[in-house]
Amino acid sequence: SQKIEQNSEALNIQEGKTATLTCNYTNYSPAYLQWYRQDPGRGPVFLLLIRENEKEKRKERLKVTFDTTLKQSLFHITASQPADSATYLCALWSNYQLIWGAGTKLIIKP
Amino acid sequence: DAGVIQSPRHEVTEMGQEVTLRCKPISGHNSLFWYRQTMMRGLELLIYFNNNVPIDDSGMPEDRFSAKMPNASFSTLKIQPSEPRDSAVYFCASSLTSREQFFGPGTRLTVL
Repeated sequence: SQKIEQNSEALNIQEGKTATLTCNYTNYSPAYLQWYRQDPGRGPVFLLLIRENEKEKRKERLKVTFDTTLKQSLFHITASQPADSATYLCALWSNYQLIWGAGTKLIIKP
Repeated sequence: DAGVIQSPRHEVTEMGQEVTLRCKPISGHNSLFWYRQTMMRGLELLIYFNNNVPIDDSGMPEDRFSAKMPNASFSTLKIQPSEPRDSAVYFCASSLTSREQFFGPGTRLTVL
């Protein structure tokens, strides 16, 4: 069956360190993958998109990698800050729609 | 731009009542998506429209759910009759390229 997996347990990171979140998928061949941030009581907010032919994408303190052989994307936040605390969702584009992971809750401790 | 607008923000109703959720997408966007989010099931796509035409409604759970998009600036999601298991946060999202999606603030629905 097709599925997308994100670490269901919350990730606790010390402020200033790099946070790394994982998104694994099976039985998809996505043209691209997206990462979104969701704060409590709000809708997801788009962060980054990476295409299948791209290995890495950066935006300020954010970096995303995409390994189609491993069927995995990694999302990094460098120099993490308490304001980065949120739930991060990955989503694959497949069959003309986004397929969503369940999200990983990230907690940055001061 | 005001972003995607949803109303109401909160809705509490009794089982069996009709519920109508409303969405105004970002002007110029040609795709609109209705999602439901719960702790148990995460974010689920219910239906999406492209140029006001429903493209995929396979995520609509039952015949009790229906969605319309009469024009490019308005869509509704209706549940009739509502049941307690419909309690969730319902999001509307719009996009221009069918890629990055812009979400509204959501409607928190509670069915008693």
